Amino acid sequence: TQLLEQSPQFLSIQEGENLTVYCNSSSVFSSLQWYRQEPGEGPVLLVTVVTGGEVKKLKRLTFQFGDARKDSSLHITAAQPGDTGLYLCAGNGAGGTSYGKLTFGQGTILTVHP
Amino acid sequence: DAGVIQSPRHEVTEMGQEVTLRCKPISGHDYLFWYRQTMMRGLELLIYFNNNVPIDDSGMPEDRFSAKMPNASFSTLKIQPSEPRDSAVYFCASSFLPNQPQHFGDGTRLSIL
Repeated sequence: TQLLEQSPQFLSIQEGENLTVYCNSSSVFSSLQWYRQEPGEGPVLLVTVVTGGEVKKLKRLTFQFGDARKDSSLHITAAQPGDTGLYLCAGNGAGGTSYGKLTFGQGTILTVHP
Repeated sequence: DAGVIQSPRHEVTEMGQEVTLRCKPISGHDYLFWYRQTMMRGLELLIYFNNNVPIDDSGMPEDRFSAKMPNASFSTLKIQPSEPRDSAVYFCASSFLPNQPQHFGDGTRLSIL
């Protein structure tokens, strides 16, 4: 059972375009994290959101946690080729599972063409 | 500071052989996690430890998989006997607290022929 549905699975855009990646679940999470992974490397944390409705910005990246703490989005403004990679959302402590146990979405493979 | 260190980076072996993957977490991190990543299933948690004690192993596929953490600076994930469907990238991660960011190693790419 996939607790976290991430969409789209693939995204191919031109440099300068904006994009949004979505992460949805029927479960409530105590917190949600976004990671970025490059080929041959492990995921690297971008941000953690904890409070329902929370918005965090990291340069051109904007992260939002849904009011009910069941969904999240990642918006990238004016994408650049350096943004290319696999983006993963991960929920912590879903549905009463062990606190600290992360459930990952399937990931979004983003390709930004020059 | 050194990050999470995994070895080997690549492993190719024949079906039926025993495979041992190794992980050294970041010093001071009390939580250690083992994940498996495939195209079909994404990143799945196999097992995690707190202070060297296994807390949740519900993600371990079957009895062929076992994991140990004999001390705070070392953990192993063993597959015996290995099967082609075990081919994947295996990641180890560690964190200071359960709700803190997890720091991942660069993974072991395992191919079972």
